Formats: sequence, structure tokens, C-alpha cells
Amino acid sequence: AQSVTQLGSHVSVSEGALVLLRCNYSSSVPPYLFWYVQYPNQGLQLLLKYTSAATLVKGINGFEAEFKKSETSFHLTKPSAHMSDAAEYFCAVSESRGAQKLVFGQGTRLTINP
Amino acid sequence: DAGVTQSPTHLIKTRGQQVTLRCSPKSGHDTVSWYQQALGQGPQFIFQYYEEEERQRGNFPDRFSGHQFPNYSSELNVNALLLGDSALYLCASSRWEGKNTEAFFGQGTRLTVV
Repeated sequence: AQSVTQLGSHVSVSEGALVLLRCNYSSSVPPYLFWYVQYPNQGLQLLLKYTSAATLVKGINGFEAEFKKSETSFHLTKPSAHMSDAAEYFCAVSESRGAQKLVFGQGTRLTINP
Repeated sequence: DAGVTQSPTHLIKTRGQQVTLRCSPKSGHDTVSWYQQALGQGPQFIFQYYEEEERQRGNFPDRFSGHQFPNYSSELNVNALLLGDSALYLCASSRWEGKNTEAFFGQGTRLTVV
């Protein structure tokens, strides 16, 4: 069975600082990996996805993630945090091609300090 | 494009009652998945419907059932509600595009069982 572990339930950074949210996965097959963002009282919005093409994936709002098979990781980064980035972030893995049945991590709450 | 719409947005039910949640998929999508997101947790896959049939199911009891209509909209039914069923219920719709398949989420229905 596939699983996702997000290291750190809460990350706090200063505005303008680097954002790094960690995600490690477990999968018996080549994984399809996703990062979603959830703002308060909202659904999930896709930030980016890895589908076995380029290992460095660029997403919306300046976020990017790098797939590292040797480390079974898919960490999310953004060079300079903005106040509007404050939200809950979820890493997810799919058991099949595309975003069919998604297995999510526990989430990481990102707080931005002015 | 209205995206994925869910109704109602909030509801309160009493333990032992039954509840029905509704989801209209994004235009052009034919697959609907349901997720349960308990407070402070990542979403968990309940089941997925395609061509009016349940195609995949997560680790949820039979109290959770669903339906998909010819217009691709879907319902989630939960019988004999327990306090532990209190959660945000998310609907996601998609259309099969191979590895580029993307799930679009609604804003969710917040169910409180008292």
C-alpha cells in the first residue's frame, strides 16, 4: 500500500524567507505525486504534480518540488514566502496514473510571519 | 465554469440519523470521488464513481454508500451516524486523461454529528 509522510505538522517562516515543506512517500510502483493547498474553509487546490517526466516540477504561485527517487522524497519549496502563502499544504500519492485514488499525508500548516 | 459544487455547505445531524450529501462535477468530468477529512487530518478516500458504478472503495464501513446519476452528479449517504463521522466531506471530479488526469475539489460539506 502506498503512504505519505509529511515531516512537520506546522512550519513557520518570515515573509521573504525560503519555504520548505517536506514529504516522503512509500510506493511499490512508480508513483504519481501531488501537492495541494487548502485555505481556511476551502477545498483543495492543486499546486503541482509529478507524473514521471522532469524530476523538478514547477507549479503555481512560485512553488516547485523535486522528485528524488533515491530518497523517496518530494519536498515543496518556494524561494520567497508571501503572506498569502499561509495555508495548509498536503502531499499526496496516487496508486494509478493520474489523480484517481489519492492517498494524502497529514498536512503541514504554513504560517508566515511579517 | 462553476467548477465542483457541493451542497449543503454545513449541516448538523444527531447521532443515529442518516445524511445525504450532494456533488455536481466540473463540466466535462465523468468521475466523482469522495473524501473524508477529519479535523487536523489529511483527506481519506471513501469511494469513486464512474458510469454510475462504484469503481474503487477505501476502508470505510458499509454505512457509507453512494450513487452517481446519468448527469454525473453524485450523492454520498451515511447511515446510523456516529460522533466520529463529524468531518469535512470533499468531492473531487475528474476526466480520464492518462497521467495528466487531474482531480478538482469542491469546497466541501462540513458535517457535525451531535
